[in-house]
Amino acid sequence: ETGVTQSPTHLIKTRGQQVTLRCSSQSGHNTVSWYQQALGQGPQFIFQYYREEENGRGNFPPRFSGLQFPNYSSELNVNALELDDSALYLCASSSGQGTGTQYFGPGTRLLVL
Amino acid sequence: AQSVAQPEDQVNVAEGNPLTVKCTYSVSGNPYLFWYVQYPNRGLQFLLKYITGDNLVKGSYGFEAEFNKSQTSFHLKKPSALVSDSALYFCAVRDSNMFSGGYNKLIFGAGTRLAVHP
Repeated sequence: ETGVTQSPTHLIKTRGQQVTLRCSSQSGHNTVSWYQQALGQGPQFIFQYYREEENGRGNFPPRFSGLQFPNYSSELNVNALELDDSALYLCASSSGQGTGTQYFGPGTRLLVL
Repeated sequence: AQSVAQPEDQVNVAEGNPLTVKCTYSVSGNPYLFWYVQYPNRGLQFLLKYITGDNLVKGSYGFEAEFNKSQTSFHLKKPSALVSDSALYFCAVRDSNMFSGGYNKLIFGAGTRLAVHP
């Protein structure tokens, strides 16, 4: 196991609701990246946080937002949920502004009804 | 744009036989390449990476990968497959272009399902 933890493991929401997903990074890592993995696809980069600042963002709308805390744990927030937001959300931690290997957590599976 | 292609949706191999999972890439500059494995209902596990140096990279669980610059390939190999190797395998390249929306983000292929039969 990597030492990266995510909560909750599963979540069911309805369209229009808001959700917060959490990630604790591996000890010694200061960078957290978030990915969305839709069924049958490879993970897609959402954004990355390095030392509490957003360090890069993929092609996701502003209703996807995040935070990183002083202990380097992170949150992913999604507002106004849509059916297409149903996916496995993965966080990965790494060191050195993301230049190190990214180690993934087990993911949070979100179902939007 | 930087990209990764995994041309096979599924690879079938008999236990004990060698396996190869193919990956080709397109990047500007030097490629930083990775292989991850995903078991059902699990996150991604890191197998190995190529940054620079020897073209043959050794990783976890007996896996290795061969970097071929002229063919822009990074195929994953294992000399003798196990039934427990059955999983979904992802190739990824690190996008270090800070103007493409993600400094050091990983770009993944669509994945290849490996099925090892007894």
